[in-house]
Amino acid sequence: DVKVTQSSRYLVKRTGEKVFLECVQDMDHENMFWYRQDPGLGLRLIYFSYDVKMKEKGDIPEGYSVSREKKERFSLILESASTNQTSMYLCASGINRGNYGYTFGSGTRLTVV
Amino acid sequence: QKEVEQNSGPLSVPEGAIASLNCTYSDRGSQSFFWYRQYSGKSPELIMSIYSNGDKEDGRFTAQLNKASQYVSLLIRDSQPSDSATYLCAVNGGGYNKLIFGAGTRLAVHP
Repeated sequence: DVKVTQSSRYLVKRTGEKVFLECVQDMDHENMFWYRQDPGLGLRLIYFSYDVKMKEKGDIPEGYSVSREKKERFSLILESASTNQTSMYLCASGINRGNYGYTFGSGTRLTVV
Repeated sequence: QKEVEQNSGPLSVPEGAIASLNCTYSDRGSQSFFWYRQYSGKSPELIMSIYSNGDKEDGRFTAQLNKASQYVSLLIRDSQPSDSATYLCAVNGGGYNKLIFGAGTRLAVHP
């Protein structure tokens, strides 16, 4: 089974801090994604990456950046955390062809105070 | 803008009944369709995928696809309280095999 591991289950950070969320997958998937999920708003795509060092903005990239230096690792960076970035963050991975869905990590619940 | 629409619910069904969850999508070029189950506070889990028109059965779950009507559904037979969750419909509709998710339907199965 594909494993997608997110480094933290719960995180509390202060406003203005730089925050790193890490995601690692073990199945050599090309694609990796970062979503945030808020009540009533569903899954919203922040960024995705289709190859090492390649990235594309999703629907809500403002206030975030990403890094993919190795195929298995995709990091989400909050440059200066704000309270409106309090959310559940979900990482997912998948292959970039064929009829396959994504596998999600267990999520990181981030609270910015 | 490619869209996937789901009724947000809650859909309330009694234990043992059939739960029917529906999803429509806007991109006629979509080829792959997925259902995810998400328990409260947990991450989505892939439970069904379907690629061809018709029905696909897996245990108590049946996925139905009608590409002409741009409609995909999930039937859960003999619903159990443990099926209570939010069900997300996802459709491939972007480059690099990106998925587009619906907002989800909350299902409540009561004893």
